[in-house]
Amino acid sequence: IQLTQSPSSLSASVGDRLTITCRASQGISSYLAWYQQKPGKAPKLLIYAASSLQSGVPSRFSGSGSGTDFTLTISSLQPEDFATYYCQHLHSYPSITFGQGTRLEIK
Amino acid sequence: EVQLVESGGGLVQPGGSLRLSCEASGFTVSSNYMSWVRQAPGKGLEWVSVIYSGGSTYYADSAKGRFTISRDNSKNTLYLQMNSLRVEDTAVYFCARDNPAASYAFDIWGQGTMVTVSS
Repeated sequence: IQLTQSPSSLSASVGDRLTITCRASQGISSYLAWYQQKPGKAPKLLIYAASSLQSGVPSRFSGSGSGTDFTLTISSLQPEDFATYYCQHLHSYPSITFGQGTRLEIK
Repeated sequence: EVQLVESGGGLVQPGGSLRLSCEASGFTVSSNYMSWVRQAPGKGLEWVSVIYSGGSTYYADSAKGRFTISRDNSKNTLYLQMNSLRVEDTAVYFCARDNPAASYAFDIWGQGTMVTVSS
C-alpha cells in the first residue's frame, strides 16, 4: 500500500488554517496515523485511527477521512507547528508504510 | 517518566555488523509491541522491524535475512542486530512502541542513533 501526501511542501503564516492530504493506493479503512517531526528530533504522534487526537496534542490539530482519502488540519498555525508531517497506514500491520512527508515552512 | 533511549550507532564498513540498543523506562518492553524505524539523511521514515509481546518478529524486505530484532527482559531493552550492512542502510535508527490502544500507532519514540555505512 502506497501513501501519497500533498503538497510535498508549503509555506504558511502564523494563524493560517492548513490542510494536508494523504491518499492511499487502496482502501485502508481508518487505519491511518499522523506524525509531526522537527529537525533532529523523533517523530511525535498527533492523530491515530484517522481522527483520534493523541493525548497531550493541542486541539487545533484534527484528522479526518476513511478508505483512501485522509486529511490533517491545523486550525490556526502556531510558530511551533512548523515542521514536517508524515502519514502512516496501519491497515496491513505489521507491514506498514509512511507517506513521503509534507514540509511546512514559515512564509 | 516514559522514555526510550537508543545507543550503539556509529561508523561501520560495508559488510560489517552493528548492534543497536534501546533501553526503556516507565514501561515494560516485553509487554508491548516494539518497532525499529529508520530515516536516511534528508529522507522519509521507513519501518524496519517489529517484535510482538509474544515474541513473534517481522521485518521489512530490506531487512530480511540481515537484521534481527530481539529483547532482553531483564534489562528492559530492545535490540537490533544488523549484519551484512550496506551503504544504503545509512540512517538514523529510532525505536518506538506500537500501542494497540492507538490502533498500533507509534506513541513513544527514542531520540534516534545514527548508523553510517561507509568505506
